[in-house]
Parts: sequence; structure tokens; C-alpha cells
Amino acid sequence: TQLLEQSPQFLSIQEGENLTVYCNSSSVFSSLQWYRQEPGEGPVLLVTVVTGGEVKKLKRLTFQFGDARKDSSLHITAAQPGDTGLYLCAGARSGDYKLSFGAGTTVTVRA
Amino acid sequence: DAGVIQSPRHEVTEMGQEVTLRCKPISGHDYLFWYRQTMMRGLELLIYFNNNVPIDDSGMPEDRFSAKMPNASFSTLKIQPSEPRDSAVYFCASSLGTGRQPQHFGDGTRLSIL
Repeated sequence: TQLLEQSPQFLSIQEGENLTVYCNSSSVFSSLQWYRQEPGEGPVLLVTVVTGGEVKKLKRLTFQFGDARKDSSLHITAAQPGDTGLYLCAGARSGDYKLSFGAGTTVTVRA
Repeated sequence: DAGVIQSPRHEVTEMGQEVTLRCKPISGHDYLFWYRQTMMRGLELLIYFNNNVPIDDSGMPEDRFSAKMPNASFSTLKIQPSEPRDSAVYFCASSLGTGRQPQHFGDGTRLSIL
């Protein structure tokens, strides 16, 4: 059982559409990160959120950390083919030095 | 700036052979992590080092796996003897700290055990 559950597992949309990826847990996290991984490469950090209720924007990507710090979401506005990839959330619980990764959401944006 | 460098990028070998994966972390990073990624289990932490010392190896599958970090710029992950179920992509990552510190990943070694 994954500590962090991501949904959906797969998402295929047309260019220009919006999408949301969810990351949920029953545990409280001191911080949560989102990574994007492209085929043949390692994950690359997109953002770190640390405060409950925090919202961060990175161009067309909006990240939100839940008020109780148990969940997070990633919203992409007007998706482009370059957004295609595996999106991973990863969290660190208080007092835990390790990152736990979700299973990931594979996003495909069709031109 | 050079990122995390892993070698080889691909390794195909027969069951029973010894496999050695190599990693050069980013200079100045005190933490080094070894992960394994499969479709079934996702990204799993195998072991991590702080200042060249292994801190947590609870993710290492079994005694066939071992990892060393002889100095701050080099680490190895060894599998002996290898088995088909070890086939996966192995990633090395380094960071300035743990928890909320960003981890910088290499491009991985794709390992296939026949």
C-alpha cells in the first residue's frame, strides 16, 4: 500500500484542455513535492509546498497543499504536448528524513 | 553545472552475474539516495547516505544488494548474484538535505537480467 495515493493513474487529453491530478494520504506531511519525469530521464522537481492551504503557481501549473497537509493537487491550464510526462508527488512526514513517492500519474497531451 | 551522473545507462546481463551500478552526485551535496523504479511498485527508496555513511538501508531487498560510498563523489550499488526480478530502472539522487530539500536525480540505469 502506497503512503501517497495518486489519481488518476492515466490521463489523456487534447491540447488546450485543463487537467487536475490528485495526491492523497491519511498521514500528515511537513512538506510535499511534485516532480515530472520524462521517458528515459530521472524525475525533475517542479515545486515544494510546506504550509497547509498553500497555493503555488508555475506558469500554467497550479499546485495546492491541503489545509490539513494530507493531500495536494496539481492543476494544468490549457495543457500543451510539452506537459506530457509522469507526474509524481512525494512527501516527507514530520521527523521522517525520507521522501515517500506516489505511484505517479501518466499524462498524455495530444496535439 | 553537472548534474548527477550515472553509469552505465543500460545494462543487460544473464542471471547469476554480478552487476555494479555507479553514481557521481552533485558536488557539495551531502545526501545520496538509491531508488528502484518498476511499473508494479513505482519509485522505491533502497538506501541513503549522509556524508558517505549509510543511514537507512531498510529498503534494500535482500542480502544480494549492497551499496557503498567510498568518498563524497562516488557511490556504487552492487547486485550479486543478479536475478530476473531485479530488472528495473535504478536511479541515484543527491541533495543538500532530507525532507523538503529537492532531490536531483540522474537519468538512471536500465537493468535487464535475462
